[in-house]
Amino acid sequence: DQQVKQNSPSLSVQEGRISILNCDYTNSMFDYFLWYKKYPAEGPTFLISISSIKDKNEDGRFTVFLNKSAKHLSLHIVPSQPGDSAVYFCAGTSYGKLTFGQGTILTVHP
Amino acid sequence: DVKVTQSSRYLVKRTGEKVFLECVQDMDHENMFWYRQDPGLGLRLIYFSYDVKMKEKGDIPEGYSVSREKKERFSLILESASTNQTSMYLCASSFLVHSNQPQHFGDGTRLSIL
Repeated sequence: DQQVKQNSPSLSVQEGRISILNCDYTNSMFDYFLWYKKYPAEGPTFLISISSIKDKNEDGRFTVFLNKSAKHLSLHIVPSQPGDSAVYFCAGTSYGKLTFGQGTILTVHP
Repeated sequence: DVKVTQSSRYLVKRTGEKVFLECVQDMDHENMFWYRQDPGLGLRLIYFSYDVKMKEKGDIPEGYSVSREKKERFSLILESASTNQTSMYLCASSFLVHSNQPQHFGDGTRLSIL
């Protein structure tokens, strides 16, 4: 049972435009959601999080939106930069334990 | 900065061998985790530990065991390695208190079982 799903394996965006990465979940017990970014040959690094009682959290170019009724969250990157090219994982957390989605490969073209 | 160090970046072992993957963190974190990452499957939790000598099964514990004798060190053990355990293994650590405390990851061990 895949509790967190990222249905788009890849996304290609032009530099300067918006990147929107999507994530769906089924577990209503998640109390936080987090986004991680992963470059090849490195471990994932934390990007941004949102509490399940919020609907938006913003940090610089990164904004995460949560639609609890639809069990859907999205990460917006504006403007996108070539250095943002990486694999992005969303994850839900409950009691400190993370459940990850499959990841989306973002490619930002100059 | 938090540092999570995994002892090997690449490892090649033979079927049936007992394999040890080591992880050390330097931030006095209570929680430590072992994941494996496979294409199309994301990161899946194998085992985690909330404290020294404590361990909990994750989502895919079969074929693995763990050891946490000291707070800073968490070892993953493949009791009898099999080819389906060829994967990228990632260790992580975090503070205990709040659920939104991000986990900090090591750079991973690429393990090949021949």
